[in-house]
Amino acid sequence: NAGVTQTPKFQVLKTGQSMTLQCAQDMNHEYMSWYRQDPGMGLRLIHYSVGAGITDQGEVPNGYNVSRSTTEDFPLRLLSAAPSQTSVYFCASSGLGRGPVQYFGPGTRLTVT
Amino acid sequence: AQSVAQPEDQVNVAEGNPLTVKCTYSVSGNPYLFWYVQYPNRGLQFLLKYITGDNLVKGSYGFEAEFNKSQTSFHLKKPSALVSDSALYFCAVRDPSYGGSQGNLIFGKGTKLSVKP
Repeated sequence: NAGVTQTPKFQVLKTGQSMTLQCAQDMNHEYMSWYRQDPGMGLRLIHYSVGAGITDQGEVPNGYNVSRSTTEDFPLRLLSAAPSQTSVYFCASSGLGRGPVQYFGPGTRLTVT
Repeated sequence: AQSVAQPEDQVNVAEGNPLTVKCTYSVSGNPYLFWYVQYPNRGLQFLLKYITGDNLVKGSYGFEAEFNKSQTSFHLKKPSALVSDSALYFCAVRDPSYGGSQGNLIFGKGTKLSVKP
């Protein structure tokens, strides 16, 4: 199993550009989520999904869109990139149930200039 | 609101000495607590979790954590530190505000562990 994969690993955008961060998992997990990690702030939840066709907002959703057309894929779209979106983005997945473990991808380091 | 606090930004330990990384939590209801480790330029890896049962939880790589309800703490411990344990450690608590009935994770800010030879 590849687990959770993310592409690209690195990306530089100019302010106002849009892009999609890809996330895929091969563990048949129902639950998937996107976090951003900023120095000294831990990880903050952007969006999450409890299954195909179902998404919802997390703690910091502004400026990001998601969709979940399949169980495996959960892309994150930046609509109009801003310097404040410079961060490391992690995708995670887990099964449903009490206290499941979340499995994380390797991350995408995004810089917006 | 659920929250976790990691009071130390950095912990320095000599190799072979015991280590403790501190975590305190604030939750309504029963806490579901987790520890993750992050090595440089990598994603987070699960170490251990407490859901219910014994207060001492054993996890990967020789780590363990002690759940203390009266002190609302969940400190990570290891009897003998290795240089390879040097990494960023995150404590997390389940937050039912997000993620439907399953809940999502609220992370602490992380503690950098440095183990010197």
